[in-house]
Amino acid sequence: DSGVTQTPKHLITATGQRVTLRCSPRSGDLSVYWYQQSLDQGLQFLIQYYNGEERAKGNILERFSAQQFPDLHSELNLSSLELGDSALYFCASSVDQGYEQYFGPGTRLTVT
Amino acid sequence: AQSVTQLDSQVPVFEEAPVELRCNYSSSVSVYLFWYVQYPNQGLQLLLKYLSGSTLVKGINGFEAEFNKSQTSFHLRKPSVHISDTAEYFCAVTPSGGYQKVTFGTGTKLQVIP
Repeated sequence: DSGVTQTPKHLITATGQRVTLRCSPRSGDLSVYWYQQSLDQGLQFLIQYYNGEERAKGNILERFSAQQFPDLHSELNLSSLELGDSALYFCASSVDQGYEQYFGPGTRLTVT
Repeated sequence: AQSVTQLDSQVPVFEEAPVELRCNYSSSVSVYLFWYVQYPNQGLQLLLKYLSGSTLVKGINGFEAEFNKSQTSFHLRKPSVHISDTAEYFCAVTPSGGYQKVTFGTGTKLQVIP
């Protein structure tokens, strides 16, 4: 158990819909990262927050957004969903940027 | 900016045989290096890390990696693999000192054959 929790574990929704994925980091970790993992794209870094502020952006679509709240939990919002958004979404946390990351169990999103 | 290359997308190996998973990186500054493992239907977990000091790093589950600055490599090795080592392995790099984005490789699937 990494100490990082993600909800929900599975999510099935239809194209065009909007979903919110939630992540609680390990106790004491200030940095939260979001990744998308799919068979064709591999593990893709989406975005990183540190203590509530956006620190780094990767291959995140404009339809996707994230935030980190004062209690340090983070949410990833995915809107206007397409079939190609079906993937595993991982959250990870670390003490600070650049240090080892601890990954959550992931949310499997299926868009039908 | 840094980059990571994992040349082998899949590596089949017989049980109890040795294995080496290759990782090469590119960076204009000194780096920290990591290997992560992902078992089926699970998140990634840290196997080992190189921050500084000895270039031979020992990790969990009998894995070790050697940092070679001249070759810009950080290959992962295990002298005798077990069926339970079947998983996907990711190499990752970040500029040393922290405070920078971590870049992951594309992963190598290790398949241990009984």
